[in-house]
Amino acid sequence: DAKTTQPPSMDCAEGRAANLPCNHSTISGNEYVYWYRQIHSQGPQYIIHGLKNNETNEMASLIITEDRKSSTLILPHATLRDTAVYYCIAISGSARQLTFGSGTQLTVLP
Amino acid sequence: NAGVTQTPKFRVLKTGQSMTLLCAQDMNHEYMYWYRQDPGMGLRLIHYSVGEGTTAKGEVPDGYNVSRLKKQNFLLGLESAAPSQTSVYFCASSYSGDGNLYEQYFGPGTRLTVT
Repeated sequence: DAKTTQPPSMDCAEGRAANLPCNHSTISGNEYVYWYRQIHSQGPQYIIHGLKNNETNEMASLIITEDRKSSTLILPHATLRDTAVYYCIAISGSARQLTFGSGTQLTVLP
Repeated sequence: NAGVTQTPKFRVLKTGQSMTLLCAQDMNHEYMYWYRQDPGMGLRLIHYSVGEGTTAKGEVPDGYNVSRLKKQNFLLGLESAAPSQTSVYFCASSYSGDGNLYEQYFGPGTRLTVT
């Protein structure tokens, strides 16, 4: 699976959009991009995933560049409850496990 | 739906003791997983199961055994606990099938301390 690179930490003002970047320059054509988050002391929570096209659900939007070498998770109106560690994972259907790296600590400020 | 539940939530063991962690899911998921998370670290996969009666090793299987006798339950056993197994243990489950395979639903975790 492709290695992903994320900034270790980011801040965002409450009510503003939070844009979390992820670099996956070695991603192959059959690898999906998955995003999870982990709020302190809780189990990880699935957010969204995509292959080529941009995706949106009730939690977030995922923007994948045309060359698929990077992506951005967008939380459109961040709240204090969105403070968490966000993990970007590139993985193919033939893999057998998710590998969680160090992620980005997002802190939403009041 | 309760989703994924884990029992117990907390446990303190002495070195050499044994215990079993129980994970249950009510979403009719085929796949189930056990992870551990050490302080300040990411999750690491211990064992997983792709269906009732099947289990497989993950990244860090040593010192653990698992069983999947019923589709909805996945048990993690520690036969002889060691301080290095002090961690938070998370169970997860998912549907099978391409694309959604890694949309995993996690339980609240079991905090285990081995003294």
